[in-house]
Amino acid sequence: NAGVTQTPKFRVLKTGQSMTLLCAQDMNHEYMYWYRQDPGMGLRLIHYSVGEGTTAKGEVPDGYNVSRLKKQNFLLGLESAAPSQTSVYFCASRSLPDEQFFGPGTRLTVL
Amino acid sequence: AQKVTQAQTEISVVEKEDVTLDCVYETRDTTYYLFWYKQPPSGELVFLIRRNSFDEQNEISGRYSWNFQKSTSSFNFTITASQVVDSAVYFCALSEAFGGGYQKVTFGTGTKLQVIP
Repeated sequence: NAGVTQTPKFRVLKTGQSMTLLCAQDMNHEYMYWYRQDPGMGLRLIHYSVGEGTTAKGEVPDGYNVSRLKKQNFLLGLESAAPSQTSVYFCASRSLPDEQFFGPGTRLTVL
Repeated sequence: AQKVTQAQTEISVVEKEDVTLDCVYETRDTTYYLFWYKQPPSGELVFLIRRNSFDEQNEISGRYSWNFQKSTSSFNFTITASQVVDSAVYFCALSEAFGGGYQKVTFGTGTKLQVIP
């Protein structure tokens, strides 16, 4: 039982490049989330999903897209990376109303 | 809209001192859940406690205790006899039913606790 995994763990991009972050969970949770963590800002919700095939915007969705084609996977895409997207990204899954289970994080640097 | 405020940005205590981390929340809902998470220097997020808005009973788990007061919209966290291993960033979070369910979870900005040996 791996819990929540994130791929990759680290990535460096140049401005304008694109990439996809993969989140996978093996707990059969309906709800999945993407957060970004910046110094002094806590965790801010980017997008979330309440089930396979559904997504919704969170607090800071601009510049990101997501997809939930399979229940166990939640993908976060950056179409044209900007330095402002340098951050640590956390994925989480959850079965309401329980706590969220977080992945180990992805450290992204955009030059 | 839901909001969580952790006014203490950083706290330093000497080992074995008691320390309280404050959490104040705002919600329009009568039914909601509150959480505390710990983020040690290694970076992972560790769940500590969940509290239902209908359960105002305080909880103790070893050296950790939580004081939930609906009247002041606070959910404070106390560490008794702090240890160096308690050094971490602590996050308070709120999940409310308003707006279609408990799906959204809002986090405070965190309190960085440093325990000095």
